[in-house]
Amino acid sequence: AQTVTQSQPEMSVQEAETVTLSCTYDTSESNYYLFWYKQPPSRQMILVIRQEAYKQQNATENRFSVNFQKAAKSFSLKISDSQLGDTAMYFCAFMKETSGSRLTFGEGTQLTVNP
Amino acid sequence: ETGVTQSPTHLIKTRGQQVTLRCSSQSGHNTVSWYQQALGQGPQFIFQYYREEENGRGNFPPRFSGLQFPNYSSELNVNALELDDSALYLCASSLDRGLYNEQFFGPGTRLTVL
Repeated sequence: AQTVTQSQPEMSVQEAETVTLSCTYDTSESNYYLFWYKQPPSRQMILVIRQEAYKQQNATENRFSVNFQKAAKSFSLKISDSQLGDTAMYFCAFMKETSGSRLTFGEGTQLTVNP
Repeated sequence: ETGVTQSPTHLIKTRGQQVTLRCSSQSGHNTVSWYQQALGQGPQFIFQYYREEENGRGNFPPRFSGLQFPNYSSELNVNALELDDSALYLCASSLDRGLYNEQFFGPGTRLTVL
């Protein structure tokens, strides 16, 4: 079974600064996707960024980027130029090729951006 | 907005009752997944429906059941409610099943069991 671990229950950052959220996972699969989702107080889960395991290049989406270390099974999210609207719960998630788009989530990290 | 809607927004039931939660997927999405998110935890996969048939199930008892309809709507039914069933229930639809299909989540239904 796959497991996803987020070791930081809460983090805070000052507006305009950079913050990194950590995630590790455990799997014996060779082909899979990793995701970061954002869940603001409105509860709607929003996809932030995704990484395909077979791609060595780290994914980037505007202010969001990942550091994907496949051998270490590590998948961290870096948020640059943090904005107040980034305040939310962030979930790391895993999807394997044979799971039919089933997501396995971590426990989440509550990020607060302070003015 | 993802185009995925859920109803009702909130629901209060008592232990032993039955509940039906509804989800309306994006048009054309033939796959819907349901997740249970207890307070302060990450979502847990309940089951997935693909073209109106169950296509994978998580570690949930048979009193959790579902239906998917041809009009891109779906239901999650929970019988004999227990206190631990109190949670946010999320549905997510995708164009198809499989690794390359992004899932779009609804805003969830908050179920409280007293």
